[in-house]
Parts: sequence; structure tokens; C-alpha cells
Amino acid sequence: EMQLVESGGGLVQPGRSLRLSCVASGFTFDDYAMYWVRQAPGKGLEWVSQINWNSGTTGYADSVKGRFTISRDNAKNSLHLQMDSLRAEDTALYYCAKDSGFYGARTYSYYMDVWGRGTTVTVS
Amino acid sequence: QSALTQPPSASGSPGQSVTISCTGTSSDIGYYNYVSWYQQHPGKAPKLMIYEVFKRPSGVPDRFSGSKSGNTASLSVSGLQAEDEADYYCSSYAGRNKIIFGGGTKLTVL
Repeated sequence: EMQLVESGGGLVQPGRSLRLSCVASGFTFDDYAMYWVRQAPGKGLEWVSQINWNSGTTGYADSVKGRFTISRDNAKNSLHLQMDSLRAEDTALYYCAKDSGFYGARTYSYYMDVWGRGTTVTVS
Repeated sequence: QSALTQPPSASGSPGQSVTISCTGTSSDIGYYNYVSWYQQHPGKAPKLMIYEVFKRPSGVPDRFSGSKSGNTASLSVSGLQAEDEADYYCSSYAGRNKIIFGGGTKLTVL
């Protein structure tokens, strides 16, 4: 069974940093691009960042560009999100998600077919 | 990088059909066919329901269908069932390694 488990969330003061992690199992991790998507309390989904299979290309939402850094360790089947200069508006449930791979391994499809349960970040 | 526009709510009785719209621009929905729809039940992670405008992943009932015209994508659900009650989000690739979501539509089965 494909599974993603996020960790690293918590309560942090504005301006401080936090590093989220996501460990993958049940699939060949380095065959897929990966995503971070967040959901503020009572709000909708917001794409945060993405990374391709070999970390060669990344993308960031304008709201986090310059403050957040996505990375992955294929040897450890893990995805990370380094969040610096945190703001109150970054408060959200952060999901890790797997690219569907519908267009072939190691290719972005821009669809997310496996999601974790999320880890909560509160900036206050 | 504005969110795609969805109606905040939609509803229908069991057995009926409902359609949810998702309006973007000529730079996202109007330009790319990387349009998808996600279903999210309360307290749960989103689930991919439609991809590439109209395709269904394995296991998604054929009661769910998608379409696109110009800058607007649509999700249709026919034969509404109680378990279809959820939030639905559209998504589109927007170029330059960016993805945007819609604000979400709460579907109520009356």
C-alpha cells in the first residue's frame, strides 16, 4: 500500500523556522515528483511547492517563494519543506502528496494521487 | 496567481445530477489540459476524482465526469448519492512550475 506520513509540524512564533518531513512507502519514491499542499483552518487547498524526481526542478507559490525550500532525499524516501520567516498566514495543515505518474515515471503530471494525513503548523 | 473561481456551494437530491463550475483564465485552464478535480470529506485528505479534464482514475465511479470549455472546467455528478456529499476542488497547471486550486465547492446531498 502506498503511504505518505508527514511530521514536523507544531506551534512556532512568527519569524521563526520549521522543517516538515514526509516519509514515503509502498512505491518507488524516486520515480515520482512530489508536492506540498496546505489548507488553512476552514479554508480551501493551496498548492505550496513541488519538486521533480531528481530535485532538478522545483516550483513555489508566490506566497512562500523566498521563504520556503523544498527538498528530497531519494535514498531515504523522504520529502522535506524548510519553512523560514514564518507568518501567521502560514498556519495550516500541510499535506505531502505524490505525483500520479500518469504520463510516465519521472515526469510531472500535475495531479496528486496519494496524500498523507497532514501535519499541522501553527504560527502564533 | 489568483485561485480558480468555484461556486461556494451546490446541492441536489439523491439520484439527481449536479454540475460544479471552475473558472480560470487563458493562462491556466484555457491554455492547459492539466485540469483535475479532488473530493475531500471532512477531516480527510483530498482524493483525485478527475484528471486531464475528463479522465477518471481507477476506482472512481463513472457517475463523475469532467469537461472544459474555454477558460471554464466543469465537474458533473450524476445519480447523486449520500456519500458524494463533500468539498470539491478544481486544479490546473498554470505554467512556470505552478499549480493553482479553486476555492472549493461544498456539495450537499439534500
